[in-house]
Amino acid sequence: ELKVEQNPLFLSMQEGKNYTIYCNYSTTSDRLYWYRQDPGKSLESLFVLLSNGAVKQEGRLMASLDTKARLSTLHITAAVHDLSATYFCAVDEGGGADGLTFGKGTHLIIQP
Amino acid sequence: EPEVTQTPSHQVTQMGQEVILRCVPISNHLYFYWYRQILGQKVEFLVSFYNNEISEKSEIFDDQFSVERPDGSNFTLKIRSTKLEDSAMYFCASGGQLNTEAFFGQGTRLTVV
Repeated sequence: ELKVEQNPLFLSMQEGKNYTIYCNYSTTSDRLYWYRQDPGKSLESLFVLLSNGAVKQEGRLMASLDTKARLSTLHITAAVHDLSATYFCAVDEGGGADGLTFGKGTHLIIQP
Repeated sequence: EPEVTQTPSHQVTQMGQEVILRCVPISNHLYFYWYRQILGQKVEFLVSFYNNEISEKSEIFDDQFSVERPDGSNFTLKIRSTKLEDSAMYFCASGGQLNTEAFFGQGTRLTVV
């Protein structure tokens, strides 16, 4: 059974600081996704990582994938309050139209 | 911008009743999914659907659940004989191609009383 572990599950940080969220998974997959969820809202796709060494950046967020270590990171640079949300990583284990296995999510609060 | 739409946004039903959750995926997408999220917990995969049949289903998706694409545009999740523990947010998602991200609808909050 595929396990996806996120760390930390809860993070409170100040604006302007940098931090990294970690996502470990237990299978040999090279397809990993990051989603953002605001309270009571749907899941917004942030990044799609489809190969070892993939790195993608959007604004203050940067995601990377190391398939050998079975690890993805989501790095936040100079955090701003608008980035407060819950961030999920999700792994696609299979090769077909399979569902994603999500981590428990990282609840991020950025304080002014 | 195309989006996945779900109706209703909130459904309250009595235990033992049947509910149908409806979704209109993005029009040119081929892969359709249902997920659920119990309040405060992670998102769990229920079922995927491709080429008019179930592609994969999780352990959660037992005989109580069924999916259908009745008319080429709607994608429905039927839950028979609802239980209290079926209370959750149910998300529909669709994807255009393999190995691309799935786009999620706004969800239907199901409350079983």
